[in-house]
Amino acid sequence: QQKVQQSPESLTVSEGAMASLNCTFSDGTSNNFRWYRQHSAKGLEVLVSIFSDGEKEEGRFTAHLNRANLHVSLHIREPQPSDSAVYLCAVSGSNNRIFFGDGTQLVVKP
Amino acid sequence: GPKVLQIPSHQIIDMGQMVTLNCDPVSNHLYFYWYKQILGQQMEFLVNFYNGKVMEKSKLFKDQFSVERPDGSYFTLKIQPTALEDSAVYFCASRQGGAEQFFGPGTRLTVL
Repeated sequence: QQKVQQSPESLTVSEGAMASLNCTFSDGTSNNFRWYRQHSAKGLEVLVSIFSDGEKEEGRFTAHLNRANLHVSLHIREPQPSDSAVYLCAVSGSNNRIFFGDGTQLVVKP
Repeated sequence: GPKVLQIPSHQIIDMGQMVTLNCDPVSNHLYFYWYKQILGQQMEFLVNFYNGKVMEKSKLFKDQFSVERPDGSYFTLKIQPTALEDSAVYFCASRQGGAEQFFGPGTRLTVL
C-alpha cells in the first residue's frame, strides 16, 4: 500500500521568508499529486496540483515533482501569518484513491 | 469554487448508539468519498461510492459502517453501533469525472 511521508513535522518561519515542505511517496506509478491546506475546523483547500515532473506554480505556491526520486515539495513564497495551517500532501493513482501524509504544521511569525 | 457541505459539524453520542453523518456534495458530481481523521493522525480513505454502489473500501470501513445516497439527496455515512474508536473527524469528498476531489469541512464525531 502507498506510503506518504511528510517532513518536517512542524516548521516555523518569519513572515516573508520562503517556506519549504517535503513529501515522499512509495508507489512510483502514482500520477496525481496535490498539496492541501487545512485550517482547524475547516475543510481542505487545494493549493496546487501537479501531474508531471517539474514545477507548477499557483500564485505564491510552487510544487516540484520528481517521480524518479519519489519526491514532491511545496514552496511558499513570502508567507504571511494567515498561511499558518497544516499542509497535507496527497498522492493518488489511476483509481483516484487519495493517500495523505501526516501533515506539516506551518507557523508564520509576524 | 464548488462547495461540499457536511451536517452536522459536530456530533456527540453514547457508545452503542447509531449515528448518521450527512454530506451534501457538489450538485453535478458523480463520485463520493468518506475519509476518517483521528485527532493528530493521518487522514485515511474509508470508502468510495458511485452509481449507487460501493466501489472500493478500506479495512477501516467496518461492518458497522454503511453508505447510501437515496434519490440523489445527501450522501450518508451510517455507523451502527458506534464504538469509542469511531471518534474522529469524518470528511466527505465528491468529484465529477475528473480526478479533482472537493472536500467538505468535516464532521467531528465524539463517541462517549
